[in-house]
Amino acid sequence: GENVEQHPSTLSVQEGDSAVIKCTYSDSASNYFPWYKQELGKRPQLIIDIRSNVGEKKDQRIAVTLNKTAKHFSLHITETQPEDSAVYFCAAALSGSARQLTFGSGTQLTVLP
Amino acid sequence: GAGVSQSPRYKVAKRGQDVALRCDPISGHVSLFWYQQALGQGPEFLTYFQNEAQLDKSGLPSDRFFAERPEGSVSTLKIQRTQQEDSAVYLCASSASQGAVGTGELFFGEGSRLTVL
Repeated sequence: GENVEQHPSTLSVQEGDSAVIKCTYSDSASNYFPWYKQELGKRPQLIIDIRSNVGEKKDQRIAVTLNKTAKHFSLHITETQPEDSAVYFCAAALSGSARQLTFGSGTQLTVLP
Repeated sequence: GAGVSQSPRYKVAKRGQDVALRCDPISGHVSLFWYQQALGQGPEFLTYFQNEAQLDKSGLPSDRFFAERPEGSVSTLKIQRTQQEDSAVYLCASSASQGAVGTGELFFGEGSRLTVL
């Protein structure tokens, strides 16, 4: 089955700096890669996703890049703000099938004011 | 409803007790998933329903775990003879699309935190 590894497990940045979180996946058939943000005690919420027919997607301060050959994808947050502090999870799945999402182990991002 | 609703939010059980966790998905959502999230970890898949049919239960850790969705809406995850290692947050998620991630976003509930003493 699919295996998703996520790094780093914790990340601290100064407000205004950029943050990068990286994930690798094992199943070359996976073609859907969402990122979720989970605040303490809250539900995971989708912040951005990418499908394997594109290499990069951007939404305001958030961007995701995908390298299918290397089987890795990354989340980039620019101009970080204290409200970006949360746990971020990457995931991988085979779109269009009944296959479930496989999540990474999460990155605790702390944005220091 | 406006979102995925789960109850109870918190459950404390003595080892050996049975528990039932309820999920109310977003109205009209075809797909429903249960995930288990241990402290400091990502959610791990337990089982998947398409309407009332349980299409994948490969993630259920043992035969003490049972899930149902008899009318294709509300779902219940039941854990029999709870053990300490069952302590976790149990997340329910629903999607308007058939299959895990056809074209629709996966919406999560806030979870049921189970503590087994």
